[in-house]
Amino acid sequence: SAVISQKPSRDICQRGTSLTIQCQVDSQVTMMFWYRQQPGQSLTLIATANQGSEATYESGFVIDKFPISRPNLTFSTLTVSNMSPEDSSIYLCSVGGASGTYNEQFFGPGTRLTVL
Amino acid sequence: GENVEQHPSTLSVQEGDSAVIKCTYSDSASNYFPWYKQELGKRPQLIIDIRSNVGEKKDQRIAVTLNKTAKHFSLHITETQPEDSAVYFCAAGGYSSASKIIFGSGTRLSIRP
Repeated sequence: SAVISQKPSRDICQRGTSLTIQCQVDSQVTMMFWYRQQPGQSLTLIATANQGSEATYESGFVIDKFPISRPNLTFSTLTVSNMSPEDSSIYLCSVGGASGTYNEQFFGPGTRLTVL
Repeated sequence: GENVEQHPSTLSVQEGDSAVIKCTYSDSASNYFPWYKQELGKRPQLIIDIRSNVGEKKDQRIAVTLNKTAKHFSLHITETQPEDSAVYFCAAGGYSSASKIIFGSGTRLSIRP
């Protein structure tokens, strides 16, 4: 399986500020996905990031709030902009196609965000 | 888009007994159904998956069944052990490496000693 790291692992931020989360993979992957997991809840897909094209956002998520970059096949960033306490959550990246054949997805360790 | 429903939300079983978690999906185009286990404070871990051209798949004490006609799939854990206690998520989506998957709401499984 792919080795996935995320930075930062956690952060406490003030409302109105922005935080950029990094996701690094040890191998080239087709797709990277960003999820949000609120306390005690399931994983909600924010967007799908393909290298060299704009990210595709799920209903309820917009680029102005969650801009995503995917500069190469091993790296992606998610920015949470103009944060409010409702953005407090765990943000996880996952990678698809790490096995080279199909959509076996593996998750990064997550970034725990608290907004005051 | 895809919608995945998962039941029950909580499940408590005696150690050694079996546990069954059920999911339904809405998009008939979905052809890949993974299951994830998430322990407290940790990332979700893929434990088993199944493609739509297969009706059942087994890996030691874990098995998954799929009824594509009814759009149902289930996770079966036999001979449960304390380390099986966790939150389990089903998901549905596309098999190709470019496809997204949508998660169910999760089942908190507790194993009673």
